[in-house]
Amino acid sequence: QSVLTQPPSASGTPGQRVTISCSGSSFNIGSNYVYWYQLLPGTAPKLLIYRNSQRPSEVPDRFSGSKSATSASLAISGLRSEDEAVYYCAAWDDSLSGPGVFGGGTKLTVL
Amino acid sequence: EVQLVQSGAEVKKPGESLKISCKGSGYNFATFWITWVRQMPGKGLEWMGVVYPGDSDTGYGPSFQGQVTISADKSINTAYLEWNSLKASDTAIYYCAAGYNYGYAAFDIWGQGTMVTVSS
Repeated sequence: QSVLTQPPSASGTPGQRVTISCSGSSFNIGSNYVYWYQLLPGTAPKLLIYRNSQRPSEVPDRFSGSKSATSASLAISGLRSEDEAVYYCAAWDDSLSGPGVFGGGTKLTVL
Repeated sequence: EVQLVQSGAEVKKPGESLKISCKGSGYNFATFWITWVRQMPGKGLEWMGVVYPGDSDTGYGPSFQGQVTISADKSINTAYLEWNSLKASDTAIYYCAAGYNYGYAAFDIWGQGTMVTVSS
């Protein structure tokens, strides 16, 4: 059972917009930044979003992040087949669950 | 080029010890936290713990405290993850990561992963 809760799966068709949620608590998302990672089979995780909504320079602007209270979301617009991957949220945690925690991951399928 | 290079795949028996490594290059290794992350077969990412190579300060996730030892040798730009007595349940891919460009908590530099297989 992960400290951060994500839906196990999500799906969309090419060109659509999909959103992946991440729910936590006051100890993690509520008091710390949220990060999002993309995991493709056979590769190391890739940083997509940092500090809730900031995007590394090499990440397309189709990816965006937001946070409100103890929840966060990753949105992917203009869905493409290469976006099919597992997405993880992460945050530092100020409780005994720390120092950091990941969500359980959301498998995104592009139909 | 800023990179982390991990040691190669390992196949061990239950009860054996193991130490895997993560070598940084292209940046001041001592001044960036290294985090270790586990991915068990078919499962998600798990935050194992962190080490600051500059002073070897460490922190562990509750599930990993007492189960593994994280360390670093700044003189050779290398971080380590160590087990005294492996279990079959330690079979996983282990990644090291560092937050280089966007703050210590934004892991934008990752090692390629080390596959550890524990089987009798």
